[in-house]
Amino acid sequence: LAKTTQPISMDSYEGQEVNITCSHNNIATNDYITWYQQFPSQGPRFIIQGYKTKVTNEVASLFIPADRKSSTLSLPRVSLSDTAVYYCLVGDTYRDDKIIFGKGTRLHILP
Amino acid sequence: NAGVTQTPKFQVLKTGQSMTLQCAQDMNHNSMYWYRQDPGMGLRLIYYSASEGTTDKGEVPNGYNVSRLNKREFSLRLESAAPSQTSVYFCASRDREDTEAFFGQGTRLTVV
Repeated sequence: LAKTTQPISMDSYEGQEVNITCSHNNIATNDYITWYQQFPSQGPRFIIQGYKTKVTNEVASLFIPADRKSSTLSLPRVSLSDTAVYYCLVGDTYRDDKIIFGKGTRLHILP
Repeated sequence: NAGVTQTPKFQVLKTGQSMTLQCAQDMNHNSMYWYRQDPGMGLRLIYYSASEGTTDKGEVPNGYNVSRLNKREFSLRLESAAPSQTSVYFCASRDREDTEAFFGQGTRLTVV
């Protein structure tokens, strides 16, 4: 499983776009990049997943450069309710049943 | 469709007591997981089960046992609870053909 590195914490303001970058230098060919969001006192929930280039859904966008050694989760126009911990996971989720979480990035949105 | 259901939601144990945390999912998922989350920390994988009848150790299995009773249920047992096992425990499940894992609401366990 590829090791991931994310910032421990970030602050931003309501209405701003927030970008959280994750480094995964030893990502393998079959690995996917998955992001989860966890609100206080709740279990994590899936946000987005990608393999390369760009993926967008109703919640976020995921940007993956050609070398795939990093990825950036982009949250457009955040609100106070986006305050949460965001986890970047890298692994071959179609072949490997193990799901390992890192320490995540604690995002605090200020009014 | 309840998703992943964990019981109990809260529990206080005395050191040395035993208990079983229950988890059930109604999504017909093959894979199930148990995690613990200490205050201010990320989730750590305790055990997982890729299918009915199989279980594997995760990152922190010591002090725990698991049972995959059937496809729906995956229980976590603490045989002799220790204060170091005070944590929030999350159960999750996932379809083998999908990458998204679904989590329960957690069990907050305190060992005194």
